[in-house]
Amino acid sequence: GAVVSQHPSRVICKSGTSVKIECRSLDFQATTMFWYRQFPKQSLMLMATSNEGSKATYEQGVEKDKFLINHASLTLSTLTVTSAHPEDSSFYICSASPSDIHNSPLHFGNGTRLTVT
Amino acid sequence: GEDVEQSLFLSVREGDSSVINCTYTDSSSTYLYWYKQEPGAGLQLLTYIFSNMDMKQDQRLTVLLNKKDKHLSLRIADTQTGDSAIYFCAESLSGGYNKLIFGAGTRLAVHP
Repeated sequence: GAVVSQHPSRVICKSGTSVKIECRSLDFQATTMFWYRQFPKQSLMLMATSNEGSKATYEQGVEKDKFLINHASLTLSTLTVTSAHPEDSSFYICSASPSDIHNSPLHFGNGTRLTVT
Repeated sequence: GEDVEQSLFLSVREGDSSVINCTYTDSSSTYLYWYKQEPGAGLQLLTYIFSNMDMKQDQRLTVLLNKKDKHLSLRIADTQTGDSAIYFCAESLSGGYNKLIFGAGTRLAVHP
């Protein structure tokens, strides 16, 4: 089945630093990947749609300069949290589905727990 | 706007059946999904159903879709302790982008 790998699984950083999270599709190509954020005991909130070779599409209320997304290849999207603050602490999850299969379901990575101190 | 609602908590005895319910609002959703999330982990796709289907069964899992009432349910037969997790219902938005709107999740607790 389709496998999405996310790295790192957990990161702790100091306030003001930047953190990069990687999302890879291991056995398929994905022109589109999605980044979600999950607060404790809450549902997933779609942050942005990552498009291979072009700019990401951000959901309303998500700062694009704060959450930089790069989708440089068909198997890799990165999310960089810039100048992180404690309120950015959260669980970030990426998802993707095979580009060549119409309406294929989304598969999710195992998530990255970010703690900003 | 689009909205997906689920009850927040369900407790069942081991060996019994669990039924998790979900309602959604976008009548043009093409697919509806059930995902499972264990503590500290990502989401695992359990099953999904196309909007023109009424039922889908996969081993212990049965999905029922009532499109008229916009109601989706997930039945887990012979529930085991390993089924304890949060279950998310999600609908895909029309437009073909495969963007999902998630419910708040139902926490399933299985006790002996």
